Amino acid sequence: GENVEQHPSTLSVQEGDSAVIKCTYSDSASNYFPWYKQELGKRPQLIIDIRSNVGEKKDQRIAVTLNKTAKHFSLHITETQPEDSAVYFCAEHPDTGNQFYFGTGTSLTVIP
Amino acid sequence: NAGVTQTPKFQVLKTGQSMTLQCAQDMNHEYMSWYRQDPGMGLRLIHYSVGAGITDQGEVPNGYNVSRSTTEDFPLRLLSAAPSQTSVYFCASSYPDRTGELFFGEGSRLTVL
Repeated sequence: GENVEQHPSTLSVQEGDSAVIKCTYSDSASNYFPWYKQELGKRPQLIIDIRSNVGEKKDQRIAVTLNKTAKHFSLHITETQPEDSAVYFCAEHPDTGNQFYFGTGTSLTVIP
Repeated sequence: NAGVTQTPKFQVLKTGQSMTLQCAQDMNHEYMSWYRQDPGMGLRLIHYSVGAGITDQGEVPNGYNVSRSTTEDFPLRLLSAAPSQTSVYFCASSYPDRTGELFFGEGSRLTVL
């Protein structure tokens, strides 16, 4: 959506390396920032999320960081594995509305 | 639980035809929405609903209608299909507080010739 910019659009990493995907948003009232993973031909599924009162959240090999001042948030995947290959979408939910706005997606390829 | 169920999974239409994409959820979610997914453009919101009898437009509503007569169902209608509506469509629903996980259906691939 127009509210969220996501970079890069494609990312290739060697297995075991780290991957970082960044998103910026424009609405300072946004309070919820989820990340979705979409495997080829499948539906998007939530992998991690963060709320505006938290700066960082980790779940095993994935982490999300939020910088409210700069209005950006990032997904970090460590020790990447081939099964991490997918399209990743960031999203934001403004506090004043009902919509979820999605970024344009990052196609991650983990090379064995 | 079936979660979010979309039908049909695949559909081919001719320009000018109309059709309805069905979406049903069995999780008692108040929030339901329709997205279209096109290469390089992410997921764009078409219409959404925060409860039975309430619908609103998203980012790309033109050419689509929705209704929400029950909590469970949220059909998307294409009034007069155009090639620009060739896309993959996802229905998604969420818990009542809205700022929670979106549960997506499996998607419907629509081709308009």
